[in-house]
Amino acid sequence: GAGVSQSPRYKVAKRGQDVALRCDPISGHVSLFWYQQALGQGPEFLTYFQNEAQLDKSGLPSDRFFAERPEGSVSTLKIQRTQQEDSAVYLCASSLASGGANVYEQYFGPGTRLTVT
Amino acid sequence: DQQVKQNSPSLSVQEGRISILNCDYTNSMFDYFLWYKKYPAEGPTFLISISSIKDKNEDGRFTVFLNKSAKHLSLHIVPSQPGDSAVYFCAASQTGGGNKLTFGTGTQLKVEL
Repeated sequence: GAGVSQSPRYKVAKRGQDVALRCDPISGHVSLFWYQQALGQGPEFLTYFQNEAQLDKSGLPSDRFFAERPEGSVSTLKIQRTQQEDSAVYLCASSLASGGANVYEQYFGPGTRLTVT
Repeated sequence: DQQVKQNSPSLSVQEGRISILNCDYTNSMFDYFLWYKKYPAEGPTFLISISSIKDKNEDGRFTVFLNKSAKHLSLHIVPSQPGDSAVYFCAASQTGGGNKLTFGTGTQLKVEL
């Protein structure tokens, strides 16, 4: 079946521009996560949705970062007034609803590589 | 403050031999651990996991060992194959923590012919 898809795969933005990154989770997956991966590092948690509810946004680095999932399926991560330090790969992951045996098993998309010049 | 650490950035192993990747953690609240494998330009792929109530989980060529007292886990791959060459990430989660994963910095495994 189809996995997690993300678009665009690559994005170059001039400093100060706004960007929007899209994530299509696996159909039926209730939980959706965004992670940021800097070069040479592991993914770092940004935010988490269960259906349309954003239950944890503790990892968002500043108020320039905003995420939404209005219908409990597709999610968008928006970064306003991009800065050079925002350059990273942004990964989206989805998983089945909590309570199941594999509640922590998250399936990742290929990521969007954002370069801010 | 790095709560999950992978102290070896790289590891080279001959085909057919055992690969052992190590991971240490500092947060005693972590109760579920996972290993992910990542190829270039792809997202991480789930490999194997272990709950803190167990000390070993095996799936084919992959075995994960957990030593709670030492806050240490390891991934054993045997026999290693060239297709196993990738970056391996250790990740941890805690009940009530919203299912978010805390990752290590990864170990680049190279399996040589």
